[in-house]
Amino acid sequence: TQLLEQSPQFLSIQEGENLTVYCNSSSVFSSLQWYRQEPGEGPVLLVTVVTGGEVKKLKRLTFQFGDARKDSSLHITAAQPGDTGLYLCAGTSGTYKYIFGTGTRLKVLA
Amino acid sequence: SQTIHQWPATLVQPVGSPLSLECTVEGTSNPNLYWYRQAAGRGLQLLFYSVGIGQISSEVPQNLSASRPQDRQFILSSKKLLLSDSGFYLCAWSYGDGSNQPQHFGDGTRLSIL
Repeated sequence: TQLLEQSPQFLSIQEGENLTVYCNSSSVFSSLQWYRQEPGEGPVLLVTVVTGGEVKKLKRLTFQFGDARKDSSLHITAAQPGDTGLYLCAGTSGTYKYIFGTGTRLKVLA
Repeated sequence: SQTIHQWPATLVQPVGSPLSLECTVEGTSNPNLYWYRQAAGRGLQLLFYSVGIGQISSEVPQNLSASRPQDRQFILSSKKLLLSDSGFYLCAWSYGDGSNQPQHFGDGTRLSIL
């Protein structure tokens, strides 16, 4: 069974601080995606990484796919209250199924 | 552009009652369709997915079932709801075999069982 563990589970930080969220598995994925979810809404895609070692930047967010394609990280620089939400990673392996991580709830305090 | 609709947004049902949640996608054809359940503040548990009309794959044994009567319609049902069926249900669609393609989600249905 493929599992994706995210850490930390909860994170509460002050505006302007940096943070990193981790997504780890013992399984290899063909791609890994990051989503952000607001309360009462569905997740929205932030980025997809497909190549081992790949780094993608989205404004203050930096995403990295591990060399072995088993893990990924999301780094946020100078967090803002608008970054508050539930962050989910999801792995795909070409089997139509998406394996979602356990989630990281981020709260950024003004 | 493609859109996905789920209804109802919230639902309160007594234990033992039936359930029918509907999801439709517009602006695309032959999408892969998915039903997920989400516990509060946690990840998504895949319940069912479908790659074509009448084709349903079940991931978790339970008292829920899914059907796809039309290309862009996906229905989640139960004959008798249990307390443990409470949760946030999300419908999603995607293309291809899941490699590198994003999932697009509806706004979910909050189901409370009394």
